[in-house]
Amino acid sequence: QQQVKQSPQSLIVQKGGISIINCAYENTAFDYFPWYQQFPGKGPALLIAIRPDVSEKKEGRFTISFNKSAKQFSLHIMDSQPGDSATYFCAASMPSGTYKYIFGTGTRLKVLA
Amino acid sequence: DAGITQSPRYKITETGRQVTLMCHQTWSHSYMFWYRQDLGHGLRLIYYSAAADITDKGEVPDGYVVSRSKTENFPLTLESATRSQTSVYFCASSDADRGLYGYTFGSGTRLTVV
Repeated sequence: QQQVKQSPQSLIVQKGGISIINCAYENTAFDYFPWYQQFPGKGPALLIAIRPDVSEKKEGRFTISFNKSAKQFSLHIMDSQPGDSATYFCAASMPSGTYKYIFGTGTRLKVLA
Repeated sequence: DAGITQSPRYKITETGRQVTLMCHQTWSHSYMFWYRQDLGHGLRLIYYSAAADITDKGEVPDGYVVSRSKTENFPLTLESATRSQTSVYFCASSDADRGLYGYTFGSGTRLTVV
């Protein structure tokens, strides 16, 4: 119940295309859903986040779509660029007020020039 | 420099040795976390701390010890290193109790146990 399942494990997209990464969860008490971007040799960095009372959030080329009834959320990267090539992690915040995250297993994105 | 720093960046140690990974943050964030990153497992929480002298176990705490005598420091100790503890370790901090839920991660420590 505490897992966050992320897919696909890896993704190759042409420059200018749309990258879509999906995550699913079971625990309906999760109350915060961030996405992190990680470049090789670096720590993950917060990219965008959403709360369950909102169905979509957009920041530049990055959009989170949230489906509360299906317990799924996804990251869309529009007009994907080679500089977007990185590993992406979804996460869900534990509902106990401790601000702990459960992370997905990560998606390695490669955008071809 | 402001931020969160981890040391060392790389460490090779032998099985059975004790090793300590350091984490220092300059923001006075209340919350600090230790995660390990392994292929196929993503990031898994080892320990976290809500404030100085308050720590609690995460998902994979066995074989690890933490302390937090000062707000800015959160060292992670492997009491007797095993090969299964070969991993990349990330420290993170959060100002969550002020409504800012995002984590800021350090650059990581790559630990190899031989």
